[in-house]
Amino acid sequence: GAGVSQTPSNKVTEKGKYVELRCDPISGHTALYWYRQSLGQGPEFLIYFQGTGAADDSGLPNDRFFAVRPEGSVSTLKIQRTERGDSAVYLCASSFLPTATTDGYTFGSGTRLTVV
Amino acid sequence: DAKTTQPTSMDCAEGRAANLPCNHSTISGNEYVYWYRQIHSQGPQYIIHGLKNNETNEMASLIITEDRKSSTLILPHATLRDTAVYYCIVRDYGQNFVFGPGTRLSVLP
Repeated sequence: GAGVSQTPSNKVTEKGKYVELRCDPISGHTALYWYRQSLGQGPEFLIYFQGTGAADDSGLPNDRFFAVRPEGSVSTLKIQRTERGDSAVYLCASSFLPTATTDGYTFGSGTRLTVV
Repeated sequence: DAKTTQPTSMDCAEGRAANLPCNHSTISGNEYVYWYRQIHSQGPQYIIHGLKNNETNEMASLIITEDRKSSTLILPHATLRDTAVYYCIVRDYGQNFVFGPGTRLSVLP
Protein backbone atom coordinates (compact mmCIF):
# COMPACT_ATOMS: atom_id res chain seq x y z
CA GLY A 1 0.00 0.00 0.00
CA ALA A 2 0.88 3.63 -0.20
CA GLY A 3 1.16 4.18 3.52
CA VAL A 4 1.82 2.47 6.83
CA SER A 5 -1.16 0.32 7.75
CA GLN A 6 -2.02 -0.60 11.33
CA THR A 7 -4.65 -3.07 12.44
CA PRO A 8 -6.92 -3.07 14.25
CA SER A 9 -7.66 0.62 14.45
CA ASN A 10 -9.33 0.11 17.82
CA LYS A 11 -8.96 -2.68 20.37
CA VAL A 12 -10.77 -3.07 23.66
CA THR A 13 -9.53 -5.80 25.95
CA GLU A 14 -9.98 -6.88 29.53
CA LYS A 15 -7.28 -6.44 32.11
CA GLY A 16 -4.97 -9.44 32.15
CA LYS A 17 -5.60 -10.46 28.55
CA TYR A 18 -3.03 -10.80 25.75
CA VAL A 19 -3.16 -8.55 22.68
CA GLU A 20 -1.37 -8.33 19.36
CA LEU A 21 -1.12 -5.17 17.29
CA ARG A 22 -0.07 -5.37 13.65
CA CYS A 23 1.89 -2.99 11.46
CA ASP A 24 2.36 -3.18 7.69
CA PRO A 25 5.13 -0.77 6.72
CA ILE A 26 5.61 0.88 3.36
CA SER A 27 6.98 -1.62 0.89
CA GLY A 28 10.76 -1.48 0.74
CA HIS A 29 11.19 0.34 4.01
CA THR A 30 13.87 -1.48 5.99
CA ALA A 31 13.40 0.34 9.28
CA LEU A 32 10.29 0.03 11.44
CA TYR A 33 9.47 1.81 14.69
CA TRP A 34 6.86 1.43 17.40
CA TYR A 35 5.76 4.37 19.54
CA ARG A 36 3.13 4.73 22.22
CA GLN A 37 1.10 7.88 22.78
CA SER A 38 -0.90 8.62 25.90
CA LEU A 39 -3.61 11.25 25.94
CA GLY A 40 -2.21 14.78 25.75
CA GLN A 41 1.39 13.69 25.30
CA GLY A 42 3.76 13.27 22.40
CA PRO A 43 4.61 9.83 21.04
CA GLU A 44 7.04 7.82 23.17
CA PHE A 45 9.60 5.52 21.52
CA LEU A 46 9.27 1.79 22.21
CA ILE A 47 11.36 -0.24 19.77
CA TYR A 48 13.13 0.00 16.43
CA PHE A 49 13.76 -2.76 13.89
CA GLN A 50 16.35 -2.77 11.17
CA GLY A 51 15.31 -5.65 8.94
CA THR A 52 14.29 -8.61 11.09
CA GLY A 53 16.25 -7.69 14.19
CA ALA A 54 15.42 -5.32 16.99
CA ALA A 55 18.19 -2.75 16.82
CA ASP A 56 16.97 -0.79 19.84
CA ASP A 57 14.34 -1.98 22.31
CA SER A 58 15.27 0.44 25.07
CA GLY A 59 11.84 2.02 25.10
CA LEU A 60 9.86 -1.10 25.97
CA PRO A 61 8.47 -0.40 29.45
CA ASN A 62 8.77 -3.94 30.84
CA ASP A 63 8.92 -7.60 29.84
CA ARG A 64 5.18 -7.76 29.18
CA PHE A 65 5.89 -5.96 25.91
CA PHE A 66 7.48 -7.78 23.00
CA ALA A 67 7.68 -7.15 19.27
CA VAL A 68 8.68 -9.24 16.28
CA ARG A 69 9.36 -8.71 12.61
CA PRO A 70 10.16 -12.22 11.35
CA GLU A 71 10.43 -11.53 7.62
CA GLY A 72 11.63 -7.96 7.75
CA SER A 73 8.31 -6.50 6.70
CA VAL A 74 5.18 -6.85 8.87
CA SER A 75 5.69 -6.35 12.59
CA THR A 76 3.57 -7.41 15.54
CA LEU A 77 3.64 -5.73 18.94
CA LYS A 78 2.57 -8.15 21.65
CA ILE A 79 1.42 -7.20 25.13
CA GLN A 80 0.92 -9.85 27.79
CA ARG A 81 -1.20 -9.54 30.93
CA THR A 82 -2.50 -6.16 29.90
CA GLU A 83 -2.99 -3.47 32.52
CA ARG A 84 -5.22 -0.39 32.48
CA GLY A 85 -2.09 1.75 32.25
CA ASP A 86 -1.32 0.18 28.87
CA SER A 87 -4.26 2.05 27.39
CA ALA A 88 -2.87 4.35 24.71
CA VAL A 89 -2.54 4.81 20.97
CA TYR A 90 0.19 2.59 19.59
CA LEU A 91 1.83 4.11 16.53
CA CYS A 92 3.98 2.39 13.94
CA ALA A 93 6.33 4.16 11.55
CA SER A 94 8.70 3.08 8.82
CA SER A 95 11.55 4.60 6.86
CA PHE A 96 13.67 3.56 3.91
CA LEU A 97 16.94 4.26 5.62
CA PRO A 98 17.07 4.23 9.43
CA THR A 99 19.64 6.94 9.63
CA ALA A 100 18.41 9.09 6.79
CA THR A 101 18.17 12.79 7.39
CA THR A 102 15.75 13.22 4.52
CA ASP A 103 12.06 12.80 5.08
CA GLY A 104 12.13 11.15 8.44
CA TYR A 105 9.52 8.58 9.31
CA THR A 106 6.10 7.83 7.83
CA PHE A 107 3.61 7.05 10.55
CA GLY A 108 0.46 4.98 10.48
CA SER A 109 -2.78 6.15 12.06
CA GLY A 110 -2.25 3.97 15.09
CA THR A 111 -4.15 1.39 17.10
CA ARG A 112 -6.14 2.75 20.02
CA LEU A 113 -5.87 0.19 22.81
CA THR A 114 -8.27 0.39 25.72
CA VAL A 115 -7.83 -1.94 28.67
CA VAL A 116 -10.95 -2.20 30.84
CA ASP B 1 13.92 13.64 27.05
CA ALA B 2 13.02 16.09 24.34
CA LYS B 3 15.70 18.69 23.67
CA THR B 4 13.26 21.37 22.59
CA THR B 5 10.92 23.83 24.26
CA GLN B 6 7.71 24.96 22.61
CA PRO B 7 4.69 26.97 23.77
CA THR B 8 1.84 24.77 24.89
CA SER B 9 -0.73 26.36 22.62
CA MET B 10 -1.25 29.12 20.05
CA ASP B 11 -4.13 30.59 18.10
CA CYS B 12 -4.02 31.93 14.57
CA ALA B 13 -6.67 33.55 12.39
CA GLU B 14 -7.57 31.71 9.21
CA GLY B 15 -5.67 33.11 6.21
CA ARG B 16 -2.94 34.66 8.34
CA ALA B 17 0.58 33.36 8.80
CA ALA B 18 1.14 31.02 11.73
CA ASN B 19 4.59 31.37 13.31
CA LEU B 20 5.45 28.56 15.68
CA PRO B 21 8.60 29.05 17.76
CA CYS B 22 10.94 26.40 19.12
CA ASN B 23 13.93 26.72 21.43
CA HIS B 24 16.76 24.20 21.19
CA SER B 25 19.59 25.92 23.00
CA THR B 26 21.62 22.73 23.53
CA ILE B 27 21.57 21.64 19.89
CA SER B 28 24.82 20.14 18.66
CA GLY B 29 26.47 20.72 15.32
CA ASN B 30 25.28 17.47 13.76
CA GLU B 31 21.67 17.69 14.86
CA TYR B 32 18.94 18.57 12.43
CA VAL B 33 15.73 20.39 13.34
CA TYR B 34 12.59 18.53 12.28
CA TRP B 35 8.96 19.55 12.41
CA TYR B 36 6.05 17.15 12.47
CA ARG B 37 2.38 17.77 13.03
CA GLN B 38 -0.40 15.55 14.27
CA ILE B 39 -3.98 16.11 13.33
CA HIS B 40 -6.58 14.60 15.63
CA SER B 41 -6.81 10.79 15.38
CA GLN B 42 -3.94 10.54 12.91
CA GLY B 43 -0.27 9.68 13.18
CA PRO B 44 2.37 12.41 13.07
CA GLN B 45 3.06 13.83 9.63
CA TYR B 46 6.44 15.10 8.47
CA ILE B 47 6.50 18.79 7.54
CA ILE B 48 10.05 19.98 7.02
CA HIS B 49 13.58 19.75 8.38
CA GLY B 50 16.83 21.70 8.22
CA LEU B 51 20.36 21.91 9.55
CA LYS B 52 21.35 25.56 9.45
CA ASN B 53 19.93 27.10 6.30
CA ASN B 54 16.37 28.26 6.01
CA GLU B 55 14.17 25.77 4.19
CA THR B 56 10.90 26.03 2.29
CA ASN B 57 8.61 23.42 0.80
CA GLU B 58 4.99 23.27 -0.30
CA MET B 59 3.79 23.01 3.29
CA ALA B 60 5.86 25.47 5.26
CA SER B 61 9.03 27.46 5.79
CA LEU B 62 11.63 26.81 8.46
CA ILE B 63 13.71 29.68 9.77
CA ILE B 64 16.73 28.71 11.88
CA THR B 65 18.65 31.38 13.76
CA GLU B 66 22.31 31.83 12.98
CA ASP B 67 23.38 30.36 16.33
CA ARG B 68 20.91 27.47 15.74
CA LYS B 69 19.53 27.79 19.24
CA SER B 70 16.01 28.44 18.03
CA SER B 71 13.81 28.10 14.98
CA THR B 72 10.40 29.11 13.70
CA LEU B 73 8.01 27.13 11.58
CA ILE B 74 5.92 29.35 9.33
CA LEU B 75 2.63 28.33 7.77
CA PRO B 76 2.15 31.23 5.35
CA HIS B 77 -1.64 31.13 5.00
CA ALA B 78 -3.14 29.02 7.75
CA THR B 79 -6.37 27.14 7.07
CA LEU B 80 -8.74 25.39 9.42
CA ARG B 81 -7.16 22.09 8.37
CA ASP B 82 -3.86 23.24 9.83
CA THR B 83 -5.31 22.90 13.33
CA ALA B 84 -3.05 20.29 14.91
CA VAL B 85 -0.29 19.65 17.43
CA TYR B 86 3.08 20.70 16.02
CA TYR B 87 6.25 19.00 17.23
CA CYS B 88 9.74 20.43 16.96
CA ILE B 89 12.45 17.76 17.28
CA VAL B 90 16.23 17.87 17.11
CA ARG B 91 17.81 14.68 15.92
CA ASP B 92 21.30 13.48 15.11
CA TYR B 93 22.24 10.95 12.48
CA GLY B 94 21.03 7.51 13.54
CA GLN B 95 18.99 8.65 16.49
CA ASN B 96 15.33 7.95 17.02
CA PHE B 97 12.86 10.81 17.07
CA VAL B 98 12.08 12.00 20.58
CA PHE B 99 8.78 13.87 20.78
CA GLY B 100 7.90 16.44 23.40
CA PRO B 101 4.34 17.63 24.09
CA GLY B 102 4.41 20.04 21.11
CA THR B 103 2.35 23.16 20.43
CA ARG B 104 -1.37 22.89 19.95
CA LEU B 105 -2.22 25.29 17.11
CA SER B 106 -5.83 26.34 16.73
CA VAL B 107 -6.71 28.10 13.48
CA LEU B 108 -9.79 30.20 14.07
CA PRO B 109 -12.36 31.21 11.42
